[in-house]
Amino acid sequence: SAVISQKPSRDICQRGTSLTIQCQVDSQVTMMFWYRQQPGQSLTLIATANQGSEATYESGFVIDKFPISRPNLTFSTLTVSNMSPEDSSIYLCSVLGDWGETQYFGPGTRLLVL
Amino acid sequence: AQSVTQLGSHVSVSEGALVLLRCNYSSSVPPYLFWYVQYPNQGLQLLLKYTSAATLVKGINGFEAEFKKSETSFHLTKPSAHMSDAAEYFCAVGTGANNLFFGTGTRLTVIP
Repeated sequence: SAVISQKPSRDICQRGTSLTIQCQVDSQVTMMFWYRQQPGQSLTLIATANQGSEATYESGFVIDKFPISRPNLTFSTLTVSNMSPEDSSIYLCSVLGDWGETQYFGPGTRLLVL
Repeated sequence: AQSVTQLGSHVSVSEGALVLLRCNYSSSVPPYLFWYVQYPNQGLQLLLKYTSAATLVKGINGFEAEFKKSETSFHLTKPSAHMSDAAEYFCAVGTGANNLFFGTGTRLTVIP
């Protein structure tokens, strides 16, 4: 398994501002993922982040709104830009572990945009 | 393409009763199947996974699931519910662990 931490754990932000969420894992991993979980809903994949390459975004998500960095094999950041109340969600990072056979999730960042 | 359906957004059981959470999947290739649990204000924790080995998979906290190809199902069961089992449960399917599609979740309530 992998131990994953996220910062911040929660935040309240004003519309129009940006928030950067950090994801740290305790071992080197090739693939990291960022998900959004809107209130009362399931998980939606935002993008896949591989070290040394541009993140791959899913349909409906764009780099200008959700820029991602992946500077090394244990760390990634997701920025939620120019926030609106519709961005209020839980943002989760996950990593591919067990030789590519399992995704492990961080504790999530709970974001409220006013 | 893969998809997953969880029947029942809310399930209530009495403490000590059988827990059955339903998951049906659609996949054009042999699937990877997962159950995750999310406790309030926490992330997702892996309960168990099926990756083409034994069809009956045992997980943590006394949960197990059986892969039934003929029924395209991967239902989660536990013989005796405990108060600490109250949580949201998500079923996920993928052609590998790197491209998972999650169900809409089932909220389990345990009645004392």
